[in-house]
Amino acid sequence: DAGVIQSPRHEVTEMGQEVTLRCKPISGHDYLFWYRQTMMRGLELLIYFNNNVPIDDSGMPEDRFSAKMPNASFSTLKIQPSEPRDSAVYFCASSETGPDTQYFGPGTRLTVL
Amino acid sequence: GQNIDQPTEMTATEGAIVQINCTYQTSGFNGLFWYQQHAGEAPTFLSYNVLDGLEEKGRFSSFLSRSKGYSYLLLKELQMKDSASYLCAVRGNSNSGYALNFGKGTSLLVTP
Repeated sequence: DAGVIQSPRHEVTEMGQEVTLRCKPISGHDYLFWYRQTMMRGLELLIYFNNNVPIDDSGMPEDRFSAKMPNASFSTLKIQPSEPRDSAVYFCASSETGPDTQYFGPGTRLTVL
Repeated sequence: GQNIDQPTEMTATEGAIVQINCTYQTSGFNGLFWYQQHAGEAPTFLSYNVLDGLEEKGRFSSFLSRSKGYSYLLLKELQMKDSASYLCAVRGNSNSGYALNFGKGTSLLVTP
């Protein structure tokens, strides 16, 4: 039974480049969450989807960030253009329903030089 | 909004018991979660409380008092592998979309 899958696991890029992070939620889970984790701010919710529809994107830091969920098994988080302060670990999580436990993917460690 | 506070670091000895506290202030409450996160890994679910009282699961127990905005995670018979960060998270109600708001985590070091 596969858990949440994220790719890539590590990404190193230069300032100004576009970065795309990918997530495949657990099959049958209706909710998908994107989080960012830094030492300074801890784990922060960026955006979440319910049945592929974005519900709350108030955590997205600025217009450089965008997220999509074209179908129930795939979501992307895009940063364009990237900046050094975007360096963090980005986690995707999914839950079967809203109130259920969220299960996290392994994360993508992003470094923007 | 929500404020969640937990100690930054704790140290305990192998075989001992440790209690990690979490206090929260929230405009809507629909449960409190504890997650464990080893360095470089994803958070993994430990426990969930929505009603007052103690929930026990093996060596780990979690307590909730909604009136006091307070929870703790109790780890018994500590093992070296319990060295990790422990994250307290509060879930909002349906009005806030069930999002989890995490504390910054308590880094626990278990020493021999």
